[in-house]
Amino acid sequence: SQQGEEDPQALSIQEGENATMNCSYKTSINNLQWYRQNSGRGLVHLILIRSNEREKHSGRLRVTLDTSKKSSSLLITASRAADTASYFCATDPNTGNQFYFGTGTSLTVIP
Amino acid sequence: DGGITQSPKYLFRKEGQNVTLSCEQNLNHDAMYWYRQDPGQGLRLIYYSQIVNDFQKGDIAEGYSVSREKKESFPLTVTSAQKNPTAFYLCASSIRAGETGELFFGEGSRLTVL
Repeated sequence: SQQGEEDPQALSIQEGENATMNCSYKTSINNLQWYRQNSGRGLVHLILIRSNEREKHSGRLRVTLDTSKKSSSLLITASRAADTASYFCATDPNTGNQFYFGTGTSLTVIP
Repeated sequence: DGGITQSPKYLFRKEGQNVTLSCEQNLNHDAMYWYRQDPGQGLRLIYYSQIVNDFQKGDIAEGYSVSREKKESFPLTVTSAQKNPTAFYLCASSIRAGETGELFFGEGSRLTVL
């Protein structure tokens, strides 16, 4: 399977703290994306980082990509209770038109 | 508002019955996808379509069928051949076939087999 793996599987933090989650994948990619899913809902796109980029920012989100290690991290700064959700990475291998999703990190932000 | 509409949101099926999940998009996107989500396993690709009247199998296509007769519509049929159909099904679309970018998701359909 080309599916990525997120780490940790679950994360619980206090409001205001930073949350870091990691994604590892197996094959060369065109880009890597992060998505958020609230319980029982569809996924929402957060940020896309291309294979020739090393870091990208969007509001309170910071994503890094290390293609030599085949890994990415998502940092959410100054977390809020509303950030409670599952977060998934998705890779786009340069061998086809499919997206492969990781198993997700469940984030709980305690008010 | 543009987006993806999935229906029904909840569906119950008896064993041996086929069911069809609807997915409609008004984003004018070329590519559409069906994913299955089980607890702890992330999303797995069932089928995808890059253009009208064409579709490809994903990693777990057995027991499922699709059609793409219109650009806006990509229905998924869960057949009686699917051994464990109880799951959350997500439909998605992206702008261009062959150009990977952001996926837009519907709100999902939860299928329960009784």
